[in-house]
Amino acid sequence: NAGVTQTPKFQVLKTGQSMTLQCAQDMNHEYMSWYRQDPGMGLRLIHYSVGAGITDQGEVPNGYNVSRSTTEDFPLRLLSAAPSQTSVYFCASSYSVKAYTEAFFGQGTRLTVV
Amino acid sequence: AQKVTQAQTEISVVEKEDVTLDCVYETRDTTYYLFWYKQPPSGELVFLIRRNSFDEQNEISGRYSWNFQKSTSSFNFTITASQVVDSAVYFCALSPPPEEGGYNKLIFGAGTRLAVHP
Repeated sequence: NAGVTQTPKFQVLKTGQSMTLQCAQDMNHEYMSWYRQDPGMGLRLIHYSVGAGITDQGEVPNGYNVSRSTTEDFPLRLLSAAPSQTSVYFCASSYSVKAYTEAFFGQGTRLTVV
Repeated sequence: AQKVTQAQTEISVVEKEDVTLDCVYETRDTTYYLFWYKQPPSGELVFLIRRNSFDEQNEISGRYSWNFQKSTSSFNFTITASQVVDSAVYFCALSPPPEEGGYNKLIFGAGTRLAVHP
């Protein structure tokens, strides 16, 4: 059981380049979300999804796009990378039912924009 | 607004000392969930505990214990007889009730970096 898989693990981009961070989960979770982690600030929510075809903005959505065409996948797109987007990105998934205990996180993607 | 405050940025202890990591939260919801996650130097997030707002019982798991007090909006984490392997960043997080996004919308504190020295 792979859990939440993020690719790539590391990436260096030049300012203005675009890229997609991939996130896939094999637990049939309805909920998926993207966070970024910056020093001294904890993790902040970028975008989230409650199911296929439904997405919404979190606390820091500017500069990022998402889509959810399948239950399993929730890619995060940077259309024109900026140095301020240098961060560690985490994808998470969970069930929507409160009886379940936790959100599961991927291993993270460390992105550097130069 | 919802907020989680971890006032301790860094804590340094010597092995076998007890250490308490503080977490204070703000929310207007009556139903909510509180979490602690550990982030070791390898970078992944490791789930430690979830507590719902209606369960104020303290919990103990081996050397770890958690003290949830709604009266002070605190959910503190104590490591007894700390070990070098406990060195990590620890995050406290808050989630709204399921009908408002639940675990999909975690609000994290800034984290506390714990260094345990031999």
